[in-house]
Amino acid sequence: KQEVTQIPAALSVPEGENLVLNCSFTDSAIYNLQWFRQDPGKGLTSLLLIQSSQREQTSGRLNASLDKSSGRSTLYIAASQPGDSATYLCAVPSGNTPLVFGKGTRLSVIA
Amino acid sequence: DGGITQSPKYLFRKEGQNVTLSCEQNLNHDAMYWYRQDPGQGLRLIYYSQIVNDFQKGDIAEGYSVSREKKESFPLTVTSAQKNPTAFYLCASSTKGLADYGYTFGSGTRLTVV
Repeated sequence: KQEVTQIPAALSVPEGENLVLNCSFTDSAIYNLQWFRQDPGKGLTSLLLIQSSQREQTSGRLNASLDKSSGRSTLYIAASQPGDSATYLCAVPSGNTPLVFGKGTRLSVIA
Repeated sequence: DGGITQSPKYLFRKEGQNVTLSCEQNLNHDAMYWYRQDPGQGLRLIYYSQIVNDFQKGDIAEGYSVSREKKESFPLTVTSAQKNPTAFYLCASSTKGLADYGYTFGSGTRLTVV
């Protein structure tokens, strides 16, 4: 059964820092990996979707990489801002199963 | 604008009552999903449906029921058999089944037992 782990569980950084969030998964037979953002009390907003044939995807200050063979993905946030404060979730489908989620990394960017 | 609409945003349930959470999408997506989110536990899959009139149980289906009579709608009923229903419920949809494309989520319904 697929398991997704996100490290660290929480992170606090000063504004302007570059940072990396980590995601690992146990079953490498995935079709894609999706990163989401969740603000308190809100739904999930999709940030990046990486297909299994891709190594990375970029959107603005965000860059996500995927190493399927080692079961890892990273989300890199450049020049962090207070508005980036949120919980970041990674999720993978595998086999015939819907998305399996990690527990998320709660990010605080301090002005 | 296309998207997923969940209603109500907040819902209060008395002990022993059944309640139904609404989820509607106008994205023409084939598949729809219900997840439950509890603090510190991440999102857990309750039910999902890949086509109309068909659905499958997820990891925590006990005490819940669903229907998929229309492509656009996937309501979730929380029955009195669900012992601890207080949680944040999220509905999602995707194209071409389970794995090909990304998921789109609604804004959630917070259910509280009073």
